[in-house]
Amino acid sequence: DGGITQSPKYLFRKEGQNVTLSCEQNLNHDAMYWYRQDPGQGLRLIYYSQIVNDFQKGDIAEGYSVSREKKESFPLTVTSAQKNPTAFYLCASRDRQNTEAFFGQGTRLTVV
Amino acid sequence: AQSVTQLGSHVSVSEGALVLLRCNYSSSVPPYLFWYVQYPNQGLQLLLKYTTGATLVKGINGFEAEFKKSETSFHLTKPSAHMSDAAEYFCAVIPRGSGNTGKLIFGQGTTLQVKP
Repeated sequence: DGGITQSPKYLFRKEGQNVTLSCEQNLNHDAMYWYRQDPGQGLRLIYYSQIVNDFQKGDIAEGYSVSREKKESFPLTVTSAQKNPTAFYLCASRDRQNTEAFFGQGTRLTVV
Repeated sequence: AQSVTQLGSHVSVSEGALVLLRCNYSSSVPPYLFWYVQYPNQGLQLLLKYTTGATLVKGINGFEAEFKKSETSFHLTKPSAHMSDAAEYFCAVIPRGSGNTGKLIFGQGTTLQVKP
């Protein structure tokens, strides 16, 4: 089955720790995106990548970092600099020939 | 900057009643338009999209939406609500034009409650 896999589904982090959220897709899509979801705020773009070895900041990139070493993988690191990391994180990918984006099932990150 | 407004953060309907979820966008050039649905602790699933052509778009699960350029709107409707329609719905756009990176701009979301 083709799709986007995010792991883990739930993640707990102590304050001051960095954590990495995994996003893997086997759809052969060029573009990948990370969104953050908070209640009542919709989804906000953190980072995106249109091609391997290239990525751009979105609207709320502070405290986050990404890499795009392989076409199928786009991991997101939530660093200790992110002041309020508790949220639901969604990864998406898109074929550059089409407008539709496909989403993973999300990772819920909680700072304890 | 482009923005998307969903009127009503919560909408409640009775089972069998009409569902109407409102969405307006801000740009003078009509963007690509999307409606997504999200069930609790799940990702987003595309309901329907408008890119070009017929302004009435049919999607999955009996939903449809109409693009109205004069009103800068893309409201989502379903003639008869089912209990299984209870979820959060997001309207989103991708601006058209050169440099299209495919970045989705989302509205704040509308939670649909369906009462028996």
